[in-house]
Amino acid sequence: EVQLVQSGAEVKKPGESLRISCKGSGYSFTSYWISWVRQMPGKGLEWMGRIDPSDSYTNYSPSFQGHVTISADKSISTAYLQWSSLKASDTAMYYCARVDSYGSKPFDYWGQGTLVTVSS
Amino acid sequence: EIVMTQSPATLSVSPGERATLSCRASQSVSSNLAWYQQKPGQAPRLLIYGASTRATGIPARFSGSGSGTEFTLTISSLQSEDFAVYYCQQYNNWLVTFGQGTKLEIK
Repeated sequence: EVQLVQSGAEVKKPGESLRISCKGSGYSFTSYWISWVRQMPGKGLEWMGRIDPSDSYTNYSPSFQGHVTISADKSISTAYLQWSSLKASDTAMYYCARVDSYGSKPFDYWGQGTLVTVSS
Repeated sequence: EIVMTQSPATLSVSPGERATLSCRASQSVSSNLAWYQQKPGQAPRLLIYGASTRATGIPARFSGSGSGTEFTLTISSLQSEDFAVYYCQQYNNWLVTFGQGTKLEIK
């Protein structure tokens, strides 16, 4: 069974750093890209960026480039999304999703989401 | 960046009736269009990909059509579990984008 299991909810203060994770199982982790998607409270879905776990090649949405870093450790089938200095506006639910690395494909499996709350 | 525009923002339909949701792309995305369903407190779920192919386990009452810039999701006979928010997504290039969503509510 394919699963993407994300780390638990986080409560942080502005200026703090954070790394959240997404662990894949039930499939070949290096055969699928992992994308990250933001959903701010009561709002829609925003694609942030993606990583190819086989070589850690990344693409970022221009809206998120320079604000977050996506990484992966293929030895433990885990992808990460990290911030070096959080802002209150980073408060959101963050989802990871997998995408077949061959051709143009949709997001077929999603993690359960990680709620990040940034408040002083 | 390809902009995806969904209409209407909210659709009120009675159970058993048909619902038609629209999605327009600012430029052609060929058939690289997906629809997702999201219920409160849950992650999105893939319904349709390739504009018209149902994902595994998706009931036949869900159908998708269109290509290029105009797409439609149709739910033929609404069940109580279908009331949710629906998003379209283009994945024609690496910079994927979502529509703003259509909330399907009970009339």
